[in-house]
Amino acid sequence: GNSVTQMEGPVTLSEEAFLTINCTYTATGYPSLFWYVQYPGEGLQLLLKATKADDKGSNKGFEATYRKETTSFHLEKGSVQVSDSAVYFCALRRNYGQNFVFGPGTRLSVLP
Amino acid sequence: GAGVSQSPSNKVTEKGKDVELRCDPISGHTALYWYRQSLGQGLEFLIYFQGNSAPDKSGLPSDRFSAERTGGSVSTLTIQRTQQEDSAVYLCASSLAQGYTEAFFGQGTRLTVV
Repeated sequence: GNSVTQMEGPVTLSEEAFLTINCTYTATGYPSLFWYVQYPGEGLQLLLKATKADDKGSNKGFEATYRKETTSFHLEKGSVQVSDSAVYFCALRRNYGQNFVFGPGTRLSVLP
Repeated sequence: GAGVSQSPSNKVTEKGKDVELRCDPISGHTALYWYRQSLGQGLEFLIYFQGNSAPDKSGLPSDRFSAERTGGSVSTLTIQRTQQEDSAVYLCASSLAQGYTEAFFGQGTRLTVV
């Protein structure tokens, strides 16, 4: 079946540190891949997405590249800020009319 | 409306009572999802509606939970005979059917069973 695995954390970093949150997936075919972010007390919102192999999604300084050979979609940011403290969810969606599959989420805390 | 709307935003109910949670998806979105998020936890899939197809109910935790979607738009999640373990934030999302499109989430309903 389809599944998403991500490092569960929590991840604690100092401001301006480099961030990587690993995400790997299992799916048949060519799914679309997504990163969602949930800030404290808020709902989930899309951070970035990639819909085919080698695509790079980017937003707010975050990037993730769709790697089919390693079935990965790792989230990176070069210099994190305190305001990036949130829970990050990796997700996939296979085809037309298919459901989303979410990873367990990774809690990030950035200290000043 | 501009986004996914859920009501109520907060609900406190006594154990054993029934509750109804409402979700208004984005206009034109054929897919609608319900998830549950317990404190500090990830997303637990509950049910998925896609157009006129039979819903995917595989995530409903017990027969006390049911959901319907009327006219392909508004959805209601009903929990009968609520238990304390039902306390959580219930999230609704909607999307277009195309696989490359993202889901848009509502702000959730925080349910507390006392």
